[in-house]
Amino acid sequence: QSVLTQPPSASGTPGQRVTISCSGSSSNIGSSTVNWYQHLPGTAPKLLIFSDNQRPSGVPDRFSGSRSGTSASLAITGLQSVDETDYFCAAWDDSLNGVVFGGGTKLTVL
Amino acid sequence: EVQLVESGGGLVQPGGSLRLSCAVSGFTFSDHKMDWVRRAPGKGLEWVGRSRNKVNSYTTEYAASVKGRFTISRDDSKNSLYLQMNSLKTEDTAVYYCARVVKGGSYSNFDYWGQGTLVTVSS
Repeated sequence: QSVLTQPPSASGTPGQRVTISCSGSSSNIGSSTVNWYQHLPGTAPKLLIFSDNQRPSGVPDRFSGSRSGTSASLAITGLQSVDETDYFCAAWDDSLNGVVFGGGTKLTVL
Repeated sequence: EVQLVESGGGLVQPGGSLRLSCAVSGFTFSDHKMDWVRRAPGKGLEWVGRSRNKVNSYTTEYAASVKGRFTISRDDSKNSLYLQMNSLKTEDTAVYYCARVVKGGSYSNFDYWGQGTLVTVSS
């Protein structure tokens, strides 16, 4: 059971907009910025969004993030087949004194 | 070019030990905190622990699931990070990744990751 809660799955058709939520508590998302990772098993995870809403260079502006209170979300617009993989949110937890990840959301492009 | 290359994975029996290494290049290793993260088959990413740099007194942190069994160390002269895993359990089976913590960023901001090394704990 993950400290951060994400829906296990999400889906959309090409071109659609999808959002993935990440719910936490005052000891993690409520007091720390959120980062999002994209991970295809067998490859290196990739930083997608950092500091709630910043994109590393090379990440398309189709990806955006936000945080409010103890929740965060990742939005993907103009969905493409290459976006079909797993997405994870992460934050520092002051109570656990460590990084906590969401359980992951498997995105399917129909 | 920043590179992180893990090695040392393999098959080990329950109760056994294994030592993973992460060799880095392309950046000043001693400037950065470094973490280990794992992903078990069919599961999500799980943080294993952190090695802080000299400025932060080389302190370490561990997830509750591995505390007391795993030890993270580093050798700045060899640009290498290590994970000593003892008393291994079947639930430690996973691909283990080393990751660089962004300097000055949030504590969960990993900008570079290795390709991972597979650890299988089975009899």
